[in-house]
Amino acid sequence: QQQVKQSPQSLIVQKGGISIINCAYENTAFDYFPWYQQFPGKGPALLIAIRPDVSEKKEGRFTISFNKSAKQFSLHIMDSQPGDSATYFCAALNNAGNMLTFGGGTRLMVKP
Amino acid sequence: GAVVSQHPSRVICKSGTSVKIECRSLDFQATTMFWYRQFPKQSLMLMATSNEGSKATYEQGVEKDKFLINHASLTLSTLTVTSAHPEDSSFYICSARRGYGTSNQPQHFGDGTRLSIL
Repeated sequence: QQQVKQSPQSLIVQKGGISIINCAYENTAFDYFPWYQQFPGKGPALLIAIRPDVSEKKEGRFTISFNKSAKQFSLHIMDSQPGDSATYFCAALNNAGNMLTFGGGTRLMVKP
Repeated sequence: GAVVSQHPSRVICKSGTSVKIECRSLDFQATTMFWYRQFPKQSLMLMATSNEGSKATYEQGVEKDKFLINHASLTLSTLTVTSAHPEDSSFYICSARRGYGTSNQPQHFGDGTRLSIL
């Protein structure tokens, strides 16, 4: 059962453009939503995270938008750079704090 | 802060060998550690959760006798793949988190171990 659905699976963006990755969840027990960035051969690195009591969080070029009623959240990467090329995973943590469920991942390529 | 070190980064060994992977939290006490498995171009799948000083909790379908987990200290957890076979070849990733049980502290991941069984 895929509890966190992520789209698109792959994304190509020109340098300077905006990269947008979307996620949807089903379980209302989720209450913490992190995004991870993973480079080949490396573990995921926490990028930015949001809790459902806010609708948007911005850190530098990265913004999370959260729609609690629709059970959707998205990552926006502004002014995308070739160095942003990586696989991005959204995730959701249950309110018991013991289960982090990952989306399927999005392979982002930023062309120079 | 919140650095997690995983060792070794790559292992190649013969079928039937047992392989131990270490996961260390370098600058914080990790009361809870997690072990994941990731196949190429796929997402991370949780294998087991361990709290320091207690037995690990395994996810459905993960053989506890095959994947032995020990979390003997607040900074170290080990995963031993016993009698490894080619189908066990994968990318194994650990993560660590502060706080016991109910805690929504973020998980911090190691750089993974690429296991190849010949």
